[in-house]
Parts: sequence; structure tokens; C-alpha cells
Amino acid sequence: KAGVTQTPRYLIKTRGQQVTLSCSPISGHRSVSWYQQTPGQGLQFLFEYFSETQRNKGNFPGRFSGRQFSNSRSEMNVSTLELGDSALYLCASSPGGEGTIQPQHFGDGTRLSIL
Amino acid sequence: AQKITQTQPGMFVQEKEAVTLDCTYDTSDQSYGLFWYKQPSSGEMIFLIYQGSYDEQNATEGRYSLNFQKARKSANLVISASQLGDSAMYFCAMREGRRSNYQLIWGAGTKLIIKP
Repeated sequence: KAGVTQTPRYLIKTRGQQVTLSCSPISGHRSVSWYQQTPGQGLQFLFEYFSETQRNKGNFPGRFSGRQFSNSRSEMNVSTLELGDSALYLCASSPGGEGTIQPQHFGDGTRLSIL
Repeated sequence: AQKITQTQPGMFVQEKEAVTLDCTYDTSDQSYGLFWYKQPSSGEMIFLIYQGSYDEQNATEGRYSLNFQKARKSANLVISASQLGDSAMYFCAMREGRRSNYQLIWGAGTKLIIKP
């Protein structure tokens, strides 16, 4: 069974640009979550999607957005990049049914560097 | 208040010894899940073990076991017979059972180094 696939693995951008990161979940998983990991702030939740709907959102500015497609693949977009956006962005998937707590399985992450 | 506390920023352990990584949590929910993840230096986050709040038995997965003490709100990870490949960051995380909350809440992590 293929795992969670994130593309690209590495990305270098400059301030003011925008970026789109992609995540393909494990087959059959309908929930996709995104996290930002930095040395200073640790792991922080960005948002979670289930069946193309955002169910929960973390405390990030509106420059961070996401979406989920009908095949459960998800993208996140960051506009007007700032130096502080340099981070490892992790995507995780789980079956996502209501009323159950299931492990999330992560991709290898996209390492974003802002120059 | 911190929801997940990992009090050991770093640990050195001799190969083949057992390791206990500490995790305490704080929640008012009756239904919640506790998770441990391993993150090697390459960056991927690897799921290790899960404990549900209603599970009566401590979870085990191979060399990993979770010492769950609900009254003390602790969920320590035990690695038996440590190996060099166990060197990594280890994160404790919690997911609360409320419908409106689908995120994982993370501890700050423990950096484990296994010495040969």
C-alpha cells in the first residue's frame, strides 16, 4: 500500500513569491491534515480537510490556504512568502470517519526555504 | 497551559538498553487518543504506537510499548533493547475526541541518541 506522497521534497523561493505544495494521501484515506514544523515553534497545525471540506483550521494568517480534491489529494498554498515561512511542511492522512480517533500517517515533508 | 509535556529535551542511552521517554498530557475530554511518532534526521514522521483513552491494556508494537497511566495523565514510551537506528526525535501527540477538533497536539519532542 503506497504511503502519503508529498511533492516537491525541497523548494527554494524568495520573499513575496507564492508556493503550492501537494499531498496525495494513502488510498482510501479521506482526511488530510497539514502541519508546519520549525525549530523555534515546533509542530503546528495548519488545517484539516475531509471530503473536500475544511473541518478545522489552526492559528495561521490568511496567506496560508488549502484545498482538497474529490480524489482526496490536497494542496496548500502560501502567498506573499516571508522569511519566517521557511519550514518543513508535513502532510498526514487518516481514514477520517466521524467519532473515531485514528493514527495519522505522514509523508516525507516538503522543506521550504525562503531567501 | 501545555497540553502535552515532554520533559526530556535529550537523552543518551547505551545500545541494547531499554529506554523510557516521558509524556504527560492535559485534557478534560473523556475520549482521546495518544500517539508516539519518530522523526529521524531525514525529516519523515513515522507513526509508532497509539493508545486510546478507553483502552484497558497498554499498547504494544514490537519493541515499543506505551506505559499508560490514566489517573496520572501520563503516556510514556518504552523502547526495549535499543538499537543504533533508534536515534531520532520522538514526539508525543494527542488527539481529543471532540467533533470540532481534528488536529494533533504535539509535545516539544525528545532527542534520543543511542551510543554504540
